[in-house]
Amino acid sequence: GIQVEQSPPDLILQEGANSTLRCNFSDSVNNLQWFHQNPWGQLINLFYIPSGTKQNGRLSATTVATERYSLLYISSSQTTDSGVYFCAVDSGNTPLVFGKGTRLSVIA
Amino acid sequence: AAGVIQSPRHLIKEKRETATLKCYPIPRHDTVYWYQQGPGQDPQFLISFYEKMQSDKGSIPDRFSAQQFSDYHSELNMSSLELGDSALYFCASSYASGAEQYFGPGTRLTVT
Repeated sequence: GIQVEQSPPDLILQEGANSTLRCNFSDSVNNLQWFHQNPWGQLINLFYIPSGTKQNGRLSATTVATERYSLLYISSSQTTDSGVYFCAVDSGNTPLVFGKGTRLSVIA
Repeated sequence: AAGVIQSPRHLIKEKRETATLKCYPIPRHDTVYWYQQGPGQDPQFLISFYEKMQSDKGSIPDRFSAQQFSDYHSELNMSSLELGDSALYFCASSYASGAEQYFGPGTRLTVT
């Protein structure tokens, strides 16, 4: 099945800093989603982005499907950005396969 | 906007007991997925339904069963519970198989 690798596994930032999270996948994808899991365990949809670039406030994402990677950019990070960021993909009418996540800690 | 509803939010059971988790998808979504997330792990797919028929199956134990009803809500039934079943169980829905999935808040199951 499709493999998903996320990097870095852990990231500590000072409040106000910017960061880039990466997601590599091993096959062509039909769906790619980025999620933020907050400390209470809720999975929050950030982006549905099988290709192209999207922006939502301080967050943006880019997927280069031909090169099989996606990037999530967080600018001017805030303490509320802390949590685990998951990339998940499906290769076409298949369930989502999640990466191991990037654990982000933003320090005031 | 309406979101995926899961109940209960928290559940404590003893070993060998049974549990039933419920999921109410977003209105007009016809596909429901169940995922299990163990402590410190990423979510793992269990089972999915499209138009009330099972559409895909992942690493779901034989002790677990699920179904989708005529009103599109889904239930995950878990029997002979084991300590290792303690996890966060998510339900997700989408308006079509392969479309963007929206996750519910999860049910945190603790087996003692």
